[in-house]
Amino acid sequence: DAGITQSPRHKVTETGTPVTLRCHQTENHRYMYWYRQDPGHGLRLIHYSYGVKDTDKGEVSDGYSVSRSKTEDFLLTLESATSSQTSVYFCAISELSLQLSNQPQHFGDGTRLSIL
Amino acid sequence: DQQVKQNSPSLSVQEGRISILNCDYTNSMFDYFLWYKKYPAEGPTFLISISSIKDKNEDGRFTVFLNKSAKHLSLHIVPSQPGDSAVYFCAARDRGGGNKLTFGTGTQLKVEL
Repeated sequence: DAGITQSPRHKVTETGTPVTLRCHQTENHRYMYWYRQDPGHGLRLIHYSYGVKDTDKGEVSDGYSVSRSKTEDFLLTLESATSSQTSVYFCAISELSLQLSNQPQHFGDGTRLSIL
Repeated sequence: DQQVKQNSPSLSVQEGRISILNCDYTNSMFDYFLWYKKYPAEGPTFLISISSIKDKNEDGRFTVFLNKSAKHLSLHIVPSQPGDSAVYFCAARDRGGGNKLTFGTGTQLKVEL
């Protein structure tokens, strides 16, 4: 299994509070991703990173920010949580290079976030 | 606008028979296709993939077929086993960069004894 740890695994918080989710990898992969999974939508990309301090938006980035100060850590922050952000959040990692052009993403076990 | 579609939310098959899961896509820029399996309370697990330059890839009991002209992808599991019961997601990568994936909504497979 890919060395990906998400923390916390479960969190309940109130509307308007800030929330930070952490993804930690031990694989030294260049790419890291944050997805959310909701019924009827599959997994949707929130933000991703292609290196330290290099990030870009995904399909559903509104209300979320990310930071990557070290290769191994990718943080997802909800500055002011809303009930619509109740979801299961997954982190993924992958490697990509000229020699490794077709590489799957590998996922952590997710964080279940409930915003009341 | 859903670029990757799995039109069957659920599928039930008997143990030992073939399971066929289907996926359709609309974006011609997709160049790499993947299948993931997901058990409850776990993250998706990579199963098998195929590049757009191929039309078939096999790995043990799992075979993925790609029909580019129809923009259709399928996963065959033979023989199906009870442990295969899970949600299966197809995903596609846009060649535009970032190794970003677009996922379908998933198909719940139940393999019955």
